[in-house]
Amino acid sequence: EAQVTQNPRYLITVTGKKLTVTCSQNMNHEYMSWYRQDPGLGLRQIYYSMNVEVTDKGDVPEGYKVSRKEKRNFPLILESPSPNQTSLYFCASSLSPLAGGSDTQYFGPGTRLTVL
Amino acid sequence: GQQLNQSPQSMFIQEGEDVSMNCTSSSIFNTWLWYKQDPGEGPVLLIALYKAGELTSNGRLTAQFGITRKDSFLNISASIPSDVGIYFCAGQPSSLNRDDKIIFGKGTRLHILP
Repeated sequence: EAQVTQNPRYLITVTGKKLTVTCSQNMNHEYMSWYRQDPGLGLRQIYYSMNVEVTDKGDVPEGYKVSRKEKRNFPLILESPSPNQTSLYFCASSLSPLAGGSDTQYFGPGTRLTVL
Repeated sequence: GQQLNQSPQSMFIQEGEDVSMNCTSSSIFNTWLWYKQDPGEGPVLLIALYKAGELTSNGRLTAQFGITRKDSFLNISASIPSDVGIYFCAGQPSSLNRDDKIIFGKGTRLHILP
């Protein structure tokens, strides 16, 4: 089954404690992306990756890091989480960067992060 | 930066009613997308639109790419309980030099009354 998986699904942590949210896709997609979803703000892109070892900033990259050492994995790293990073995070992947069509962007189930 | 205005923000309707929502932008878009997010899950693509004036259906859902390329509409006919969720419009702006850039609206939360 084609899917994007994220772990953990829920996480409560404290300010400053480094954490990593994993993302994995089994569709051999080149393009992967991280979004955060906040009430009233919709989905905002944090980082994206066009391919292995190619990553770039999205709209709200501050406080986040990513890596793309393998095509299937795209972890999101918060080196020193702060309360304003409390949010719902989604990883997404698609075959190519082009929006929609046969290159549908598949979203993971989400990770709800609370930073105290 | 680029913004999409999606309305309404939320809707309360009776089961069986038709639903309309829209998305507007101050600039031209090349692609319009409509997603649905069920509670506790990630968004799922419903309809993708690529040409001005294009009208595309997916079951009871119909979406249109506005002629001006600055807006898009989603209609749901004869709503049923499983239509409940958040609907997001998204689009690819023509002004940006990035094929991959997609901007999301803030969502329309659909509630269906029994």
